[in-house]
Amino acid sequence: GENVEQHPSTLSVQEGDSAVIKCTYSDSASNYFPWYKQELGKGPQLIIDIRSNVGEKKDQRIAVTLNKTAKHFSLHITETQPEDSAVYFCAVEYGNKLVFGAGTILRVKS
Amino acid sequence: DAGVIQSPRHEVTEMGQEVTLRCKPISGHNSLFWYRQTMMRGLELLIYFNNNVPIDDSGMPEDRFSAKMPNASFSTLKIQPSEPRDSAVYFCASSPGYEQYFGPGTRLTVT
Repeated sequence: GENVEQHPSTLSVQEGDSAVIKCTYSDSASNYFPWYKQELGKGPQLIIDIRSNVGEKKDQRIAVTLNKTAKHFSLHITETQPEDSAVYFCAVEYGNKLVFGAGTILRVKS
Repeated sequence: DAGVIQSPRHEVTEMGQEVTLRCKPISGHNSLFWYRQTMMRGLELLIYFNNNVPIDDSGMPEDRFSAKMPNASFSTLKIQPSEPRDSAVYFCASSPGYEQYFGPGTRLTVT
């Protein structure tokens, strides 16, 4: 089956700095790669996604890059703010299902 | 759009009791997913439905767990009998295609 590894498990940044979270996957047939943000006591919220026909996608301060050859994709958050503090999960589509990474706890220090 | 609705938000029950979790997906979405989240195991897919039909229940931990989707706007996840190790947050998500949208979850505590 699909195996998704996510790094780092925790990340602390100063407000205004950038944050990068990386995920690797094993099944080269996967074509859809979403990122979710989960705040305390809430469900995961889809924040950005990318399909395999593009290498990068941006939405304001958030971007995702995909390297299909190397089978990894990354979430980039620029100009971080305290409200960006949350747990971030990557996921990979696998046979109509999503396989999730273990999550990254992001702390933005003000 | 109200998003995915789950009830109850919190459930505390004693070991051996039956627990029923409920989910209303987003209107028009044709797929529904049940997940369990724990610190130890992260987000695990339990079962998913497509057009109200169960497609993959390989994640259901054992026969004590069952799920139904009698129509496009309602699904239940039942645990009978419940055990302390079932304590977790259970999420329902719905999807129109690739994207999945999660509900707020039900926090289950079995004592």
